[in-house]
Amino acid sequence: DTAVSQTPKYLVTQMGNDKSIKCEQNLGHDTMYWYKQDSKKFLKIMFSYNNKELIINETVPNRFSPKSPDKAHLNLHINSLELGDSAVYFCASSPRDSLRGYTFGSGTRLTVV
Amino acid sequence: AQSVTQLDSQVPVFEEAPVELRCNYSSSVSVYLFWYVQYPNQGLQLLLKYLSGSTLVESINGFEAEFNKSQTSFHLRKPSVHISDTAEYFCALNTGFQKLVFGTGTRLLVSP
Repeated sequence: DTAVSQTPKYLVTQMGNDKSIKCEQNLGHDTMYWYKQDSKKFLKIMFSYNNKELIINETVPNRFSPKSPDKAHLNLHINSLELGDSAVYFCASSPRDSLRGYTFGSGTRLTVV
Repeated sequence: AQSVTQLDSQVPVFEEAPVELRCNYSSSVSVYLFWYVQYPNQGLQLLLKYLSGSTLVESINGFEAEFNKSQTSFHLRKPSVHISDTAEYFCALNTGFQKLVFGTGTRLLVSP
């Protein structure tokens, strides 16, 4: 059983399109996150949700909108895609005590052409 | 502001040789430090962590890291590496606000 699963694994789309990435965790964790990994492998947090409530929103363009229908799901919708949005997006989850460690999904490689 | 610095972007090493991957941090509050490993085309996996107590922490696959408060470091070491250790290694800092701050990563390249 995959603990944190993301779909799709690969996404190629044209500039200006709108796309969504889905994430689900079956660990019973309270907190979920979206991280962006750029071409230089740098990882930066975008959002975190705790039991469906937005906790962290890190200066991300408002073209990015996270949605958490329940605490096991955190989806990422991106409007008007730009070339600079090309990256690998990782979903992660953690218990309420995040010091116990995060569990990451395998990533979604988004390529905007 | 909290930050993590990994000075080496790439570390090449021969199989069975020892290796050290450097990590320095900056924080004005209590720190909790982690090492994550990312194998090609995969997500990140927790390797080990320091929360409190003994400053030397170990993983199940032979890696260890030592927390040094005076030098603000958390270097990762392994006495003898294997080809299968080839991966990207990330040092990360959690300040207790449910936010992990990552370093830029170090690519460990193990050759025969």
